[in-house]
Amino acid sequence: SAVISQKPSRDICQRGTSLTIQCQVDSQVTMMFWYRQQPGQSLTLIATANQGSEATYESGFVIDKFPISRPNLTFSTLTVSNMSPEDSSIYLCSGGLGGIYGYTFGSGTRLTVV
Amino acid sequence: QKEVEQDPGPLSVPEGAIVSLNCTYSNSAFQYFMWYRQYSRKGPELLMYTYSSGNKEDGRFTAQVDKSSKYISLFIRDSQPSDSATYLCAMSALGDSWGKFQFGAGTQVVVTP
Repeated sequence: SAVISQKPSRDICQRGTSLTIQCQVDSQVTMMFWYRQQPGQSLTLIATANQGSEATYESGFVIDKFPISRPNLTFSTLTVSNMSPEDSSIYLCSGGLGGIYGYTFGSGTRLTVV
Repeated sequence: QKEVEQDPGPLSVPEGAIVSLNCTYSNSAFQYFMWYRQYSRKGPELLMYTYSSGNKEDGRFTAQVDKSSKYISLFIRDSQPSDSATYLCAMSALGDSWGKFQFGAGTQVVVTP
């Protein structure tokens, strides 16, 4: 399975600022996704990061708030823009080839907005 | 109603016991099922996946899928304290929805020595 390095692992940010989270995969993967995991809750899909084109966002998530880039098959970024305390959460990227190879997750970014 | 229902627990068992976890779902289009383990302050780790109804075994872990009942299970035999974690089920349809996994809320498991 692919190994995903995600950074930063945690950050404390001021409201109104932006934070960019990076995920680097050790091999080329067809699919990459970004999730949010709020305290005590399960994972919610934010968007599918498409290589070379605009990300596909799930209901309730918009590009202006969560711009995503995926310049190649091994790298993606998620930016949390104009942050408010409600954005405090764990953000996770996932990627893989699917099928028998499944999908793996990065270790997550624990974001606190003050 | 959530598409995937999972009892959040906590589920406490003594070391050596069998841990039984399950999820129910409402979307009959789901075809791909996975179980993840998540330790505190870590990302989810893939344990098992399966495409079809039936059983799949991997070491101490057995995954079962019953599509007719929209019910999946994970069994952990000879449980160890190191199995203490949150277990998440996840599932996806194929086609355009492929890879867009719906996760259960996660069940917290505590294995006591």
